[in-house]
Amino acid sequence: AQSVTQLDSQVPVFEEAPVELRCNYSSSVSVYLFWYVQYPNQGLQLLLKYLSGSTLVESINGFEAEFNKSQTSFHLRKPSVHISDTAEYFCAVGSGGYQKVTFGTGTKLQVIP
Amino acid sequence: DVKVTQSSRYLVKRTGEKVFLECVQDMDHENMFWYRQDPGLGLRLIYFSYDVKMKEKGDIPEGYSVSREKKERFSLILESASTNQTSMYLCASSRPGGGYNEQFFGPGTRLTVL
Repeated sequence: AQSVTQLDSQVPVFEEAPVELRCNYSSSVSVYLFWYVQYPNQGLQLLLKYLSGSTLVESINGFEAEFNKSQTSFHLRKPSVHISDTAEYFCAVGSGGYQKVTFGTGTKLQVIP
Repeated sequence: DVKVTQSSRYLVKRTGEKVFLECVQDMDHENMFWYRQDPGLGLRLIYFSYDVKMKEKGDIPEGYSVSREKKERFSLILESASTNQTSMYLCASSRPGGGYNEQFFGPGTRLTVL
């Protein structure tokens, strides 16, 4: 079985401040980890993913996440947020040979001008 | 531009009605999924299909059924809608294989059951 925990349901942060959205997972096999973003009134879209190799992965719009196997975490960070980053962010975990992906409960990031 | 489209953005139905939600993808993906999204609960998998006419139950299949007669189309059916099925419904598709493939999502259908 696999599961994902996003402890923070809402994170308010001022524009240009740094942010960290937390994600912890559990799985009995090796994992693949994802962050998806949902802008208002839209479906989800992939932000970044970890499959293997370097534990630090980056997105094109300045977000990064680090896979930490010992702490079973995959926290999402951005050093300076913009108003346009206001959205809901979902962490997800998949595992080999199992086509389903398990999503977390989501974290709403509210960037305050 | 790859796309997953859903037949309606907003839908209002009455208790007991049979409801069809349609999803179409143009990426020739084998896998298709139906989720419901509720505040504080995230996305929960209702059903998924890994090939035409093939389906598997997800985490919350009760009260729902699905149909996949063509590769590009995956339908979610509420046999007798109830108020507790008021929710946002999201369709997604992906390539086959393990849980390492990106899922592509439609814009969602917000269903209200009165």
